[in-house]
Amino acid sequence: GQNIDQPTEMTATEGAIVQINCTYQTSGFNGLFWYQQHAGEAPTFLSYNVLDGLEEKGRFSSFLSRSKGYSYLLLKELQMKDSASYLCAGMDSNYQLIWGAGTKLIIKP
Amino acid sequence: IAGITQAPTSQILAAGRRMTLRCTQDMRHNAMYWYRQDLGLGLRLIHYSNTAGTTGKGEVPDGYSVSRANTDDFPLTLASAVPSQTSVYFCASSDSEGADTQYFGPGTRLTVL
Repeated sequence: GQNIDQPTEMTATEGAIVQINCTYQTSGFNGLFWYQQHAGEAPTFLSYNVLDGLEEKGRFSSFLSRSKGYSYLLLKELQMKDSASYLCAGMDSNYQLIWGAGTKLIIKP
Repeated sequence: IAGITQAPTSQILAAGRRMTLRCTQDMRHNAMYWYRQDLGLGLRLIHYSNTAGTTGKGEVPDGYSVSRANTDDFPLTLASAVPSQTSVYFCASSDSEGADTQYFGPGTRLTVL
């Protein structure tokens, strides 16, 4: 079956670094997406990885290891506005996204 | 540029009633999607359309129907609503049906009593 696993909730301190992990099992693989979703709002795109390695985009970076079925999202210099849910989604061989339940990130001052 | 709009924003509906959720995009994207989001679960695909005139079933299609008469609009219809269809519904679109980023509308919060 297809499955995406990520922690339900994490807490971090403003200004710190946090790593949100995601493991995936999909039928075929066409990449791994990360989205941010603030409470009551729509998901917004953060990153896409299809090759192994680290992709850096400002304060946010995303890593992929295809052999391990593993990805992480790294958030640096945390700000209060980063409090949100972070959704991991794997794209299968039919180009359909399989979504994790999301990781709620709580930032404390 | 509005991106993707959805209507209504929220709705309370009696069980057994028919309801159509509207979705319109102005990005000329070929592919469109309907998801539902329930607490503790990931987004689940209901129906999708790779291009105008074609539709396909996702993971949870039962009780829902869609049409894609043109590029911009992708309405979702609940023929006879049931309480288990209480959810937040998101419409999304992408340039193609391949490995393209999906962009989401603001969502419709539907409660079926």
